[in-house]
Amino acid sequence: GAVVSQHPSRVICKSGTSVKIECRSLDFQATTMFWYRQFPKKSLMLMATSNEGSKATYEQGVEKDKFLINHASLTLSTLTVTSAHPEDSSFYICSATGKGPYEQYFGPGTRLTVT
Amino acid sequence: GENVEQHPSTLSVQEGDSAVIKCTYSDSASNYFPWYKQELGKGPQLIIDIRSNVGEKKDQRIAVTLNKTAKHFSLHITETQPEDSAVYFCAASPLSSNTGKLIFGQGTTLQVKP
Repeated sequence: GAVVSQHPSRVICKSGTSVKIECRSLDFQATTMFWYRQFPKKSLMLMATSNEGSKATYEQGVEKDKFLINHASLTLSTLTVTSAHPEDSSFYICSATGKGPYEQYFGPGTRLTVT
Repeated sequence: GENVEQHPSTLSVQEGDSAVIKCTYSDSASNYFPWYKQELGKGPQLIIDIRSNVGEKKDQRIAVTLNKTAKHFSLHITETQPEDSAVYFCAASPLSSNTGKLIFGQGTTLQVKP
């Protein structure tokens, strides 16, 4: 199969601090990784697309200085939420392509709560 | 840009019945259409997909049909089981995106009553 992991699965942080979420493709090399945000009972909202070794492409309305994305290798991408505020509380999900030409495989998600 | 509309938003069926979820897309150049199942608190799981050169694809109880002329595609689940209960998302991949970017529908909450 195509397995994508995320760490941590849940994180609680205080307002003003930063939190890093890791996304790893475990059994394939990910040519592209995507970061999504999902609000309760809503669809997935694409935040950014990243390729290994290059800068991420952010969707309109997503602050790149707020949501820092690093794609350090073909199996690892990280999302850092800087100076988190309660409104950043959400379910963050990553996905990766590379197992096949089109298929996008998702991680299990990270529940972020900012107090 | 691409826009994907999904209906219905909720669907309740009796165990053993069939369930159908429909999606329409706006970009005629889109060429890849996956379906995902998302259980509560988990990430979406790819359950079936179809490419624009195929009209229908089946995998056991799940099938997807694509009508390129009408720009719509549908998910069919037969002999539904309680474990099929989840949120289902359709998506489309615009040809203009060379990164495999997906545009998602709004989701359908399927409830299968035992």
